[in-house]
Order: sequence, then structure tokens, then C-alpha cells
Amino acid sequence: DAMVIQNPRYQVTQFGKPVTLSCSQTLNHNVMYWYQQKSSQAPKLLFHYYDKDFNNEADTPDNFQSRRPNTSFCFLDIRSPGLGDAAMYLCATSSPPRGNTQYFGPGTRLTVL
Amino acid sequence: SQQGEEDPQALSIQEGENATMNCSYKTSINNLQWYRQNSGRGLVHLILIRSNEREKHSGRLRVTLDTSKKSSSLLITASRAADTASYFCATGLNYGGATNKLIFGTGTLLAVQP
Repeated sequence: DAMVIQNPRYQVTQFGKPVTLSCSQTLNHNVMYWYQQKSSQAPKLLFHYYDKDFNNEADTPDNFQSRRPNTSFCFLDIRSPGLGDAAMYLCATSSPPRGNTQYFGPGTRLTVL
Repeated sequence: SQQGEEDPQALSIQEGENATMNCSYKTSINNLQWYRQNSGRGLVHLILIRSNEREKHSGRLRVTLDTSKKSSSLLITASRAADTASYFCATGLNYGGATNKLIFGTGTLLAVQP
């Protein structure tokens, strides 16, 4: 089945230790998004890629970066995680010419010790 | 600031009853979508209603949109225990190209008691 996959599902890191979260998709969608969702809050868009074009939200901290080496994969790098970065990180995809629905992966829950 | 505010924040009903959730937003939109999120999981798309539509149905779901009041409602009829989840509205805005940006509301936590 076509889907959005996130690895790992649970990630524990130490304060200040860089961490990378991974997302892959078999939907062949042009657009990939990264959202941050803190406990009991709405998902908040961090950035997205339209093909190789990177779009950063204005209020996304510099501590967060992303890479998209090819259509299928997208990575979220947190350079120096702080306690406030503990959250669920959601990856989503969409294919704008065919619709505006976004397809989400199961998420990676990040814990910062 | 968040685009959408949802009401109520939490809702508890008995199986078989209907559940209604409301969403209000602030700016003009292209579409409004509803998503479901089971605890600790990703979001699942439920239904999309375009700005020129007033009502849409999908199975047990009914969505209305009132652009003059900048509000939408989601009705789940004949609820089941498996409907227990958080429900988010999300307003779709164009980036100025083909990309659609979603701004999520605060969510309604629905608990359906068996």
C-alpha cells in the first residue's frame, strides 16, 4: 500500500545532541511537509518542500533544518535539541495538482533528556 | 496565531449518539478540511469542503461551511467507540503557487462511551 513512513517512531536524545528524523513516501507526491505537535496542541508547520524547493515558515527556529535528497525521502535535523523541542514530529505529503489533501505518517515522538 | 479555534475542546457521548464539533477561522480560505488523530498517532484526512460549497457528506460524516461567519461544523452520526479520537479542522491557504498550506485548529477530543 502507498504510504508515508516515519522512522524511528520513538527517539530519545540528550540536551544539545543532534538528532535526525526520517520520512519516506511511496505516493510519489511533489510536496513533503514537517509539522511539530506538542502535547494537546495543534500541529504547527515547520517547513515544506515542493520538489527540491525549500520553504521555511517565518517562525521556525534556526535549530531546525531539513533535507530532501530525492522525491521519496525527507529528513528533519535538529542541531541542538532543547527541552522545549520535545514533541511529536509529523511528516506529510501532498500532490497539489490533484488535490489539497495531505497524507500523514504515524509521527516520531521525540524525548529530550 | 492559530487560524482555527474549535469548540468544544472535549466532548463525551454515548455510543449511538451524534457528535457535533465546531470550527471558526479568521481569514479567507480556499478550502477547509477535517482530520482525525488517534492518541499518539498521525492525522487521517476525513473530508474536504471547498470555499464555494456549503455542505458535504461522507458516510456518517456531515460537514457544513459558512464563509460569511467563517465557521464550519463536523457532525458524526451514530457514533461508535472507534470514533474516539481528536478531531482537527484545518484551513487550506494557497502559498501563491500550487502548494496548499494547512493551518490547524486547536482540536476537539471526542470520547465515545460504549
